[in-house]
Amino acid sequence: GAVVSQHPSWVICKSGTSVKIECRSLDFQATTMFWYRQFPKQSLMLMATSNEGSKATYEQGVEKDKFLINHASLTLSTLTVTSAHPEDSSFYICSSPGQGAGGEAFFGQGTRLTVV
Amino acid sequence: DQQVKQNSPSLSVQEGRISILNCDYTNSMFDYFLWYKKYPAEGPTFLISISSIKDKNEDGRFTVFLNKSAKHLSLHIVPSQPGDSAVYFCAASEVGTNAGKSTFGDGTTLTVKP
Repeated sequence: GAVVSQHPSWVICKSGTSVKIECRSLDFQATTMFWYRQFPKQSLMLMATSNEGSKATYEQGVEKDKFLINHASLTLSTLTVTSAHPEDSSFYICSSPGQGAGGEAFFGQGTRLTVV
Repeated sequence: DQQVKQNSPSLSVQEGRISILNCDYTNSMFDYFLWYKKYPAEGPTFLISISSIKDKNEDGRFTVFLNKSAKHLSLHIVPSQPGDSAVYFCAASEVGTNAGKSTFGDGTTLTVKP
């Protein structure tokens, strides 16, 4: 199946700094990438949808200026958490739609962000 | 308002027995329902899906049942194996609007005991 590679798998940063998370589609062209956030023992919450060559669409309540999404090519989408605070600590996951009619998606490995 | 709900946070079954994971939804516009399996510190892996026009889909040991009138679906795993131990997420999509964009339940942690 299709592979989405997400890096880094974990990162620890200081409050006030920015962190960039990358998602690459390794064997297909990802025109769309979804970015999710998961709190412990909770569901995956969709943050935004990025489309190659256009502005990302953010879900209600997600700060655009804090979570910068760039989808400059068909194989790379990035999420930058700017001026990170401890409350931004979470598990961030990207996914790209599959080719099947069933609406399935291929997920990256996830990034565990800890802000200290 | 949570549109996809998994009311059982955990389930424990004996190896070889059937595992039944349940999911309820509220949005009538969902036309595809999916199950994902997730191990700790990893992204979810697609397991099986079902279209809203069907009531059953089977793939090996995994079968998903959909009761559209009750807005309820379930995942049956039989026979259960220790390697099936993971968190299972139920998800629903409106494929016509955004393929691959899903609303997820909170997950059910399945433990299969040897």
